[in-house]
Amino acid sequence: NAGVTQTPKFQVLKTGQSMTLQCAQDMNHNSMYWYRQDPGMGLRLIYYSASEGTTDKGEVPNGYNVSRLNKREFSLRLESAAPSQTSVYFCASSDTRQSVSRRFEKLFFGSGTQLSVL
Amino acid sequence: AQKITQTQPGMFVQEKEAVTLDCTYDTSDPSYGLFWYKQPSSGEMIFLIYQGSYDQQNATEGRYSLNFQKARKSANLVISASQLGDSAMYFCAMREDPGTSYGKLTFGQGTILTVHP
Repeated sequence: NAGVTQTPKFQVLKTGQSMTLQCAQDMNHNSMYWYRQDPGMGLRLIYYSASEGTTDKGEVPNGYNVSRLNKREFSLRLESAAPSQTSVYFCASSDTRQSVSRRFEKLFFGSGTQLSVL
Repeated sequence: AQKITQTQPGMFVQEKEAVTLDCTYDTSDPSYGLFWYKQPSSGEMIFLIYQGSYDQQNATEGRYSLNFQKARKSANLVISASQLGDSAMYFCAMREDPGTSYGKLTFGQGTILTVHP
């Protein structure tokens, strides 16, 4: 089971370069998310997509754009990378089925992308 | 103000002992969910346990239990019979009223747990 797949796993950029982080999930989940994790901090939400065709800003959206290409894929783009965007990026997806116990709410995470901007 | 506070940057425990990782939260929303995730040194995020604000019982998942004290706004993770493989970073997270999305979580800063043999 692939789950959530992120590419690349590592990337080094120079200030001002652009790049796109790719994410795909094979669990037929409606919602997808991009988080970043900085040293000594918890994960912070960058953008999310509640369903195919919709995207919304999270806590730290500045400097990023996203595209929900289809139900499976959600990409994160850095148009002009800055050193402050050096971080580990996680893509995640969730099952938004309604259920009596609402147990099916956990996030499934990808393995992360370590990005360094020099 | 911090929505999720984990006051223990690091914790140590002896193998086979129990350990409690603290988490306090702040919300005015009556409907919310609390999560614990484990992040080993390999970096992946592993879901451990979930507690809904309306759940009557404290959540348990194997060796993990959540000590949910709603009035005190605390959701401490208890790991029983610690194993060497439990050494990792542990994150507490909260989901407030989901609205359109269930996965909008606010994370705490994490607690590094080290299990000694």
